[in-house]
Amino acid sequence: DIQMTQSPSFLSATVGDRVTINCKASQNINKYLNWYQQKLGEAPKRLIYNTNSLQTGIPSRFSGSGSGTDYTLTISSLQPEDVATYFCLQHNSGPWTFGGGTKLELK
Amino acid sequence: QVTLKESGPGILQPSQTLSLTCTFSGFSLSTYGMGVGWIRQPSGKGLEWLANIWWDDDKYYNPSLKNRLTISKDTSNNQAFLKITNVDTADTATYYCARIDGRGPDYWGQGVMVTVSS
Repeated sequence: DIQMTQSPSFLSATVGDRVTINCKASQNINKYLNWYQQKLGEAPKRLIYNTNSLQTGIPSRFSGSGSGTDYTLTISSLQPEDVATYFCLQHNSGPWTFGGGTKLELK
Repeated sequence: QVTLKESGPGILQPSQTLSLTCTFSGFSLSTYGMGVGWIRQPSGKGLEWLANIWWDDDKYYNPSLKNRLTISKDTSNNQAFLKITNVDTADTATYYCARIDGRGPDYWGQGVMVTVSS
């Protein structure tokens, strides 16, 4: 199985901050990396697919980058509604595997 | 509008079979390229991908659980199903279903909690 190491596991930031979350795969996942947001009590929502493609309806302050084994989700200017848990998913090869999640809170 | 909703027994005893249903709307599992997957998350732990079923009835199972899993679908009624045999306390988790387009899962259900306890 491909191991996905996500960091940090917890993040505290101020409104307006630039926030980055990282996922590192144990092997090349060929940019088949998605990012999801899950707010308390809600279903996970896909933000980014295939490394850097923004899901329809998602604000442009969210962006993704990366290649090979290293991937990043960036929130360019943190908003209060971005408080959530974020996780990555590799869908390059089975079984699909997830990062451990990043809990983002406001400072 | 795509929606998915999971349903299950809530609580069951060790060694029983867990039967989960995913009822969805806004898409068809007979559409080329579409799939539904099942994922679970034990409380306080990470997400685990369990199984996929595709529009052409192709199936994928996580090898770590393959012998215990059966995924199926009822295209006419917009439902997908997952059975897990011989459950134990380690199967206690929130179970999610998700639609899969050509880019991995996009829409998810809110999840259903399942507790295995004697």
